[in-house]
Order: sequence, then structure tokens, then C-alpha cells
Amino acid sequence: GESVGLHLPTLSVQEGDNSIINCAYSNSASDYFIWYKQESGKGPQFIIDIRSNMDKRQGQRVTVLLNKTVKHLSLQIAATQPGDSAVYFCAERQNRDDKIIFGKGTRLHILP
Amino acid sequence: DSGVTQTPKHLITATGQRVTLRCSPRSGDLSVYWYQQSLDQGLQFLIQYYNGEERAKGNILERFSAQQFPDLHSELNLSSLELGDSALYFCASSEGGYFTDTQYFGPGTRLTVL
Repeated sequence: GESVGLHLPTLSVQEGDNSIINCAYSNSASDYFIWYKQESGKGPQFIIDIRSNMDKRQGQRVTVLLNKTVKHLSLQIAATQPGDSAVYFCAERQNRDDKIIFGKGTRLHILP
Repeated sequence: DSGVTQTPKHLITATGQRVTLRCSPRSGDLSVYWYQQSLDQGLQFLIQYYNGEERAKGNILERFSAQQFPDLHSELNLSSLELGDSALYFCASSEGGYFTDTQYFGPGTRLTVL
């Protein structure tokens, strides 16, 4: 598959451990946030979203935390599996113009 | 498989040329979005169409244009190509017309400009 973002920061996590991927967003007026997963050679895949009136949302094995005070978003993946190996990036919707701005991404590497 | 298809998968062309990328959305989805993903710029939103009409515009160059046809498939036209246009181009679709609607991405078209 093709690699995207060869110079992305990398997080290496032992299989079975929890992963925490962080994202700093840019606009305090952003009201909607999304985490995407992109596996090598594939398009981005929606994981979970959260609106600005919430500070936590849980999905299957994933939790997103939103700290509006410091404009920080995190994605927690429980019991990381080899299939979680991918690039993860956050996106924010700037409600002023209803457009999505994507972060640069973090590569998650699973150690056996 | 997201249900979104894109053709071609790879495209190699020369500077100054024009190319057309094609996208077929998931069945039932009315919105199509185009994105550019490059190593230095990351993923950038280019343009959105909803039910045949332009809905939102992002960082799309004037040399680029898009349209959505009555059968809801979309084409992205890139002209006067430059080396810096080399990137992955993704199409996504959603049922509704808002960015809060879940978007499903296609596999992308890899454009190489030589």
C-alpha cells in the first residue's frame, strides 16, 4: 500500500495496551470534531465524533475526550490490536463556514 | 469497502496537462466531497456538491473544477498541472449535505505529475 505522511509523529504501543492519541485544534469557535483512521493504501475511515457541548463520548473500544479550555482533543483506544495500526487524524468543523479542517495525523505502530 | 468508488486508481501525467478524476458515491448518498492529501499539506477539503449543486468550497485552486451529474457521480477536473499537484485525491460521500453527516471515503486516486 501507499504511505501517506511519511514524516508524521509516531506512537508505538504494545499490543493489548491502551493507546492515547492527542490533537490540538486551532479554532475556539469549532463546534464539531471527528477522528479518522487511515490504513495504508486506503481512504480515511470515520471512527467517532463529538460535539462541543460534550466533553466525552464513547464508542466500541474508543473514547474521545474534548477539552475546550485548552483546545485539545484525544482519542483513546482500549486494548490496542494489530488491526489498529494506521494513521489517525482529527478534524474540526469551524462553524463559521461549515468547513472541516484536518490535523496532520499521528501514526500508531503496534508492537508485538 | 466504503461503497464509494474512484477511478482511476493511479494516474501519471506531465506538467501542463489536464486530467479528470471520477467518483461514484454510495447508493443513496446525495453529497460528494473532494479532498487532496499531500505529504506536506495533509488532508485538505477542496469542494462539496449536494444533489448536483455546489454546496461548499475549500482550498480549491482556480485551475481545478468539479461537477456532480444527475446520476450523482462526480468528476474533478485538474488543469495546467504542476509538479505540486502530485497527491492523493479522495472523494467522500454522505447521505445529507452537512459536514456533521458521516462521510465515507473512497480508496483515492494517486496523481503523479512529472
